[in-house]
Amino acid sequence: TQLLEQSPQFLSIQEGENLTVYCNSSSVFSSLQWYRQEPGEGPVLLVTVVTGGEVKKLKRLTFQFGDARKDSSLHITAAQPGDTGLYLCAGAEGTYKYIFGTGTRLKVLA
Amino acid sequence: NAGVMQNPRHLVRRRGQEARLRCSPMKGHSHVYWYRQLPEEGLKFMVYLQKENIIDESGMPKERFSAEFPKEGPSILRIQQVVRGDSAAYFCASSLTGQGVSYEQYFGPGTRLTVT
Repeated sequence: TQLLEQSPQFLSIQEGENLTVYCNSSSVFSSLQWYRQEPGEGPVLLVTVVTGGEVKKLKRLTFQFGDARKDSSLHITAAQPGDTGLYLCAGAEGTYKYIFGTGTRLKVLA
Repeated sequence: NAGVMQNPRHLVRRRGQEARLRCSPMKGHSHVYWYRQLPEEGLKFMVYLQKENIIDESGMPKERFSAEFPKEGPSILRIQQVVRGDSAAYFCASSLTGQGVSYEQYFGPGTRLTVT
């Protein structure tokens, strides 16, 4: 079974700061998804990256898939309190089974 | 609302009782997945179903747990004779197909099961 490690586990920053969250594995994934989960709710899909080296932007969020498709990063520019939440990466093992990371809990202070 | 629906949102059961969790996939989706999330842990895959078929149940405990996705109606995750260790959030996800980019999984709000 492939493992996904996310770092940091916890991050508390001031509004307006930039941050990067990392998702690493020793195994190759066919695709990787990033989700955000708020307390008491299910994960909400943010993006899917498929190609090694791929970069996708979603407003202030930039997602990158490593060249070898083993790792990914999420960069947030000028964080806002609304960005607060649990960020989860999930690697596709095969065609449908997702392996989830343990998450990065982000808190953005106003 | 065309999203994944789960009910109940909260379920309390005493040890030994049965728990039934329901999931209606997004409109047009015929693939359903169940995950379990323990406090402060990531989501763990349990089972993958298509209509009337269990495709992969490798993440589901062999005893007391079962899942179905009938031709008509929601998918159901059933836990018999619940124990305290079953307390967790159970999430259902659905996808358009089981392969390719279209297998992006969309999650429901979850059912929080508490066993007393």
